[in-house]
Amino acid sequence: DQQVKQNSPSLSVQEGRISILNCDYTNSMFDYFLWYKKYPAEGPTFLISISSIKDKNEDGRFTVFLNKSAKHLSLHIVPSQPGDSAVYFCAASAWDSNYQLIWGAGTKLIIKP
Amino acid sequence: DTEVTQTPKHLVMGMTNKKSLKCEQHMGHRAMYWYKQKAKKPPELMFVYSYEKLSINESVPSRFSPECPNSSLLNLHLHALQPEDSALYLCASSQEAGGTDTQYFGPGTRLTVL
Repeated sequence: DQQVKQNSPSLSVQEGRISILNCDYTNSMFDYFLWYKKYPAEGPTFLISISSIKDKNEDGRFTVFLNKSAKHLSLHIVPSQPGDSAVYFCAASAWDSNYQLIWGAGTKLIIKP
Repeated sequence: DTEVTQTPKHLVMGMTNKKSLKCEQHMGHRAMYWYKQKAKKPPELMFVYSYEKLSINESVPSRFSPECPNSSLLNLHLHALQPEDSALYLCASSQEAGGTDTQYFGPGTRLTVL
């Protein structure tokens, strides 16, 4: 049972426009959510996180929105830049998650010039 | 500074070899992790060390043997691996081993087992 789902395997966006990556989850006990960016053959790079007590967190070009009632979060990147082309993973954890991050399958973002 | 370093970057080994992967962090983090990642898949947790003690072993075969010599170092000893063990091995660390502490990842070791 996939507790964290990223239903779009890939997304193509024009440079300068907004990229919106989506993530859905099923476990209502999740209280912390993270986005990681990954280039091929490299480790994931932490981007931004949000606690379940918030509905928005912003860091520069990156904003994460959390809709707890819909069990949905999204990552907005504005404006999109060529260096943003990568695979983006959504991950979630609960205070009693036994230290585990529960990962989505990832979305490959392609920024077109 | 959120740097986790891993050596070597690439490793090729035969099924009868013994090798070790090394990970280091100087952020004062008390939790360290080993993950395995196959192409186009998310990372899979293998081991968690909390305060230098092994706290989680996700049913990993005994041919993988972790070691935490001190709070900054984490090793993964490899012996008698199989070709299907070829993957990117990632080390991560976090302030504490808990649900809301961000895990920071190293660049990984690309392992190929022949």
